[in-house]
This record gives sequence, C-alpha cells and structure tokens, in this order.
Amino acid sequence: DIVMTQSPDSLAVSLGERATINCKSSQSVLYSSNNKNYLAWYQQKPGQPPKLLIYWASTRESGVPDRFSGSGSGTDFTLTISSLQAEDVAVYYCQHYYTSPYTFGQGTKLEIK
Amino acid sequence: QITLKESGPTLVKPTQTLTLTCTFSGFSLTTSGEGVGWIRQPPGEALEWLALIYWDDDKRYSPSLKSRLTITKDTSKNQVVLTMTNMDPVDTATYFCAHRRCSGNSCRGNWFDPWGQGTLVTVSS
Repeated sequence: DIVMTQSPDSLAVSLGERATINCKSSQSVLYSSNNKNYLAWYQQKPGQPPKLLIYWASTRESGVPDRFSGSGSGTDFTLTISSLQAEDVAVYYCQHYYTSPYTFGQGTKLEIK
Repeated sequence: QITLKESGPTLVKPTQTLTLTCTFSGFSLTTSGEGVGWIRQPPGEALEWLALIYWDDDKRYSPSLKSRLTITKDTSKNQVVLTMTNMDPVDTATYFCAHRRCSGNSCRGNWFDPWGQGTLVTVSS
C-alpha cells in the first residue's frame, strides 16, 4: 500500500499570510503513460464532509478560490494557501489514487495565529 | 447536481453486521466511468478509504478490511450498499459515501466529489 504522510500535523498562520502543507507518498504517484500525478487535496471543516480542492496534484476544482494551489510531483506535494482567510480554518487531507487502496494522509489542522 | 446520502443504523452491537445504504442522484451507475466509494472517519481521526464500486461492477476494497466488506449496487434504485461484518467498537466512525470522479477519454483517476453528509455509526453493547 502507498502510505501518505502529511506535515505538519497542525499549523497556525496569521490572517493574510501564506500557509503551506506538505504531503509525501511512500512511492511515486506519477503515472508515466500520461505524465500525471494521481493526487488530490480535500478540505474538511468541523461537522462537514470533505470538500475537493485539487486533483491531478495541481488542477483546482471549479469554484475553489485561486488562493489555493497545489504543486509537486512524484512523491512530494504541497498545498499552498497564498493569503489565509478566516474561512480557511479546517483540516486538510491529501489522497492518492494511483492504485488501490486509495489512501489518505493523516490530515493537517490549520488554525489562525 | 450530484447528491449522495448515507442511511443505516446509528448503533450496532459488537459482532453484528453493519449494512449502510448510499442513495444518490444526478448520475447513474449504468454510465461508463461512474463509481461510488465509501470512506470512514473515527471521531477526531483521519479519513480511511474502504471500498469503491464501478459502473461495470468492478470492485476495490481496502486490503486490511477486505475480508469483512462487501459493496454492491442497485442501479434501479440508484443505491450502493456497503456491508461490514463482525463489527467492533474500533469501527465506530462516521461513514461517508462519495461520487468517484475521473477525467479524460480513458476516465482515469479516482478522486471523490461530492461526498454525502455522512452517518455516525457507534458500535457498543
């Protein structure tokens, strides 16, 4: 199984500042035949189901603010929030979909400093 | 607009079998490329992927739970059913179903959007 490890486990950032969350996979999730990274990012607010933010590691889902961006390739990925807003307080998860089982990271809790 | 809703018991006893139903709208599991997955989340913990069923009845399971899980679909009712046998208190969690998404002519990828609201299942005697 591919293990997804996020860092840090929790993060406190001031409003308007940049937040960076990392996700590392135990093996590459880059599929050579289409040169795509099989990785998604989700946001989960308290009492709500996860919401898709990004897929293919860097493709922003429609309607997601452009302050959210994804980057990385192979085994190392980053979710960046360029200017933190109060509504971004949530737990963020990465998930690979390279091959079953489609495992999630342990989550990163983002708070306001 | 795609929506999904989970239903089932809120309380099960240890050793019992859990049966959860995901009722969805806005897509059909007879359409090529479509799929529905199940993911669970123990209170205060991370997401755990459980199973996925595709339009062609192909199925994938979490290896650690495969012996206990069965996923089926009823296309006439727009429902996907997950059964989990031999329930234990550690299986206490919110269980989500979610729409599988993919892209391209080959419909590659297995990310999930949208998700149902989830249903909390407590395992206790």
